[in-house]
Amino acid sequence: EIVLTQSPGTLSLSPGERATLSCRASQSVSSSSLAWYQQKPGQAPRLLIYGASSRATGIPDKFSGSGSGTDFTLTISRLEPEDFAVYYCQRYGSSPLTFGQGTRLEIK
Amino acid sequence: EVQLVESGGGLVQPGGSLRLSCAASGFTFTTYWMHWVRQAPGKGLVWVSRIKTDGSDRGYADSVKGRFTISRDNAKNTLYLQMNSLSAEDTAVYYCARGGTNRGSIGLDYWGQGTLVTVSS
Repeated sequence: EIVLTQSPGTLSLSPGERATLSCRASQSVSSSSLAWYQQKPGQAPRLLIYGASSRATGIPDKFSGSGSGTDFTLTISRLEPEDFAVYYCQRYGSSPLTFGQGTRLEIK
Repeated sequence: EVQLVESGGGLVQPGGSLRLSCAASGFTFTTYWMHWVRQAPGKGLVWVSRIKTDGSDRGYADSVKGRFTISRDNAKNTLYLQMNSLSAEDTAVYYCARGGTNRGSIGLDYWGQGTLVTVSS
């Protein structure tokens, strides 16, 4: 099973700043099978990025994904109050699918 | 509009069983793989199970293998999760989510609102 490790566990930033979230896999992951999700309290997760770098429908371009192999990054430029949430990376495709443990993005 | 509505959660005693349902609408259910994902209180997301479009391929997390069974009724546009031999570690909000088609996947692009399962005596 591929283990995804996200860092940092908590990221404290101010509105207007840029956020960089990391997801490292225990073995190489196909770029076509790496996704990022946002989850706010009391809500279901929302797909942000698929295929490591493609934005899902309706996702603004301030969200961008990059990476390959074992190292992937989610970048959020110009943070706004509604961006403060928990973010998860996920490997999809073949079973078992796996999620990272999440990065909490909090207002500084 | 794509909608996924889970039901069937509740309080169950350890060792008991529960069947979750997920009613799908707004898309061609028969062409999408479907998944269950759970989230224990205050914890992260954990993938539970998935099923192919026609039910011919099913996958499970090791933690539920042999206890949980995923199924679907394409005539009713409904996904199910039969959960047996429940323990406190299965307490979580259970989400159903839409996966990809037989031609490929973009992750889990639509999610239900979740149904809470509490295992306690």
